Amino acid sequence: GAGVSQSPSNKVTEKGKDVELRCDPISGHTALYWYRQSLGQGLEFLIYFQGNSAPDKSGLPSDRFSAERTGGSVSTLTIQRTQQEDSAVYLCASSFGLAFYEQFFGPGTRLTVL
Amino acid sequence: KQEVTQIPAALSVPEGENLVLNCSFTDSAIYNLQWFRQDPGKGLTSLLLIQSSQREQTSGRLNASLDKSSGRSTLYIAASQPGDSATYLCASTGANSKLTFGKGITLSVRP
Repeated sequence: GAGVSQSPSNKVTEKGKDVELRCDPISGHTALYWYRQSLGQGLEFLIYFQGNSAPDKSGLPSDRFSAERTGGSVSTLTIQRTQQEDSAVYLCASSFGLAFYEQFFGPGTRLTVL
Repeated sequence: KQEVTQIPAALSVPEGENLVLNCSFTDSAIYNLQWFRQDPGKGLTSLLLIQSSQREQTSGRLNASLDKSSGRSTLYIAASQPGDSATYLCASTGANSKLTFGKGITLSVRP
């Protein structure tokens, strides 16, 4: 079956602009996760959703970052007023449930802020 | 706060060698441990998941073990091939369901 998909695959933007990154999880997966992979920081957790709710937003780097999930499926990660330090690969993962379940990752969105 | 360490950061071996990749973690209160493979410019491919109640999992030439009490996991690759060249990451799942990753081991298998 289809895996996790993310769009766009690459995004180049100018400092100060807003960007939206999209994630389509595997059908039937109720949990969805966002991670960021940057050269200096490695892979870091940003936020997760169980259904449409995000119980823990403490992993978001700043209040310029927000995420939502609608219909228990597609999720959007929005970065407002982008900064150069936001440049990274943003990875989305999904799983059948929380904690005990294997997470499956999408190919990522490479964001470059000029 | 969970910390996951993978040492060394890079490894180069000749084809056919059996090898062990190490992963250590500081907090043993984990739900499971997952090993991933990442090829350059690509996303993560899940290789093996070991639940906290399990000791090991096997898939083909790969075998992963987990020792919660010592905070260690190993990924054993049998009869390595050039196609195994990639970065291997381990990650633990904690109470808030988030994965905490190591920085990865970049493996190069020489023909």
